[in-house]
Amino acid sequence: GAGVSQSPSNKVTEKGKDVELRCDPISGHTALYWYRQSLGQGLEFLIYFQGNSAPDKSGLPSDRFSAERTGGSVSTLTIQRTQQEDSAVYLCASSLDTGVSQPQHFGDGTRLSIL
Amino acid sequence: LAKTTQPISMDSYEGQEVNITCSHNNIATNDYITWYQQFPSQGPRFIIQGYKTKVTNEVASLFIPADRKSSTLSLPRVSLSDTAVYYCLAGGFKTIFGAGTRLFVKA
Repeated sequence: GAGVSQSPSNKVTEKGKDVELRCDPISGHTALYWYRQSLGQGLEFLIYFQGNSAPDKSGLPSDRFSAERTGGSVSTLTIQRTQQEDSAVYLCASSLDTGVSQPQHFGDGTRLSIL
Repeated sequence: LAKTTQPISMDSYEGQEVNITCSHNNIATNDYITWYQQFPSQGPRFIIQGYKTKVTNEVASLFIPADRKSSTLSLPRVSLSDTAVYYCLAGGFKTIFGAGTRLFVKA
């Protein structure tokens, strides 16, 4: 079946521009997560959505970062006034719910490069 | 959230069994232990998950001692295609992915 889909796969933009990254989770998965991975590093949690509950934004590094999830499905991560330190791979994952035994299914990420 | 510690890197040869140990001393009572595999330019992929004792699937085994303060991922007869980064997580939805263990399988 279809996995988690992210677009674009690569994005190059100039410093100061806004970017939008999209995530299509697996159908039926109520939980959705965004992570950031810098080169050679582990994953840094950014934000998570569970059903219609308010998102957990505790991992967002600054107020330039925001995310929304429309209709409980597709999610968009927006970075305003991009900085060079925002360059990283942004990964999206989904799971059936947020139960402790639910593994996450990841997309292949969007590689963001800020010039 | 339980913090995990695992070796930064490991080398092995094709056909050998590889064991990667992860420590999670402050694991919570209801935390599961989950292992993921990540290849370059791809997202992490779920390998195996367990709560206690031993779990085995078609690709790996997971050994968890009674105190659950550590776990060992066992990959039987590795091949070159098993070269990847392996992440150990102990926790629920807001898991912390550390730097993982880089496994390099040589011919």
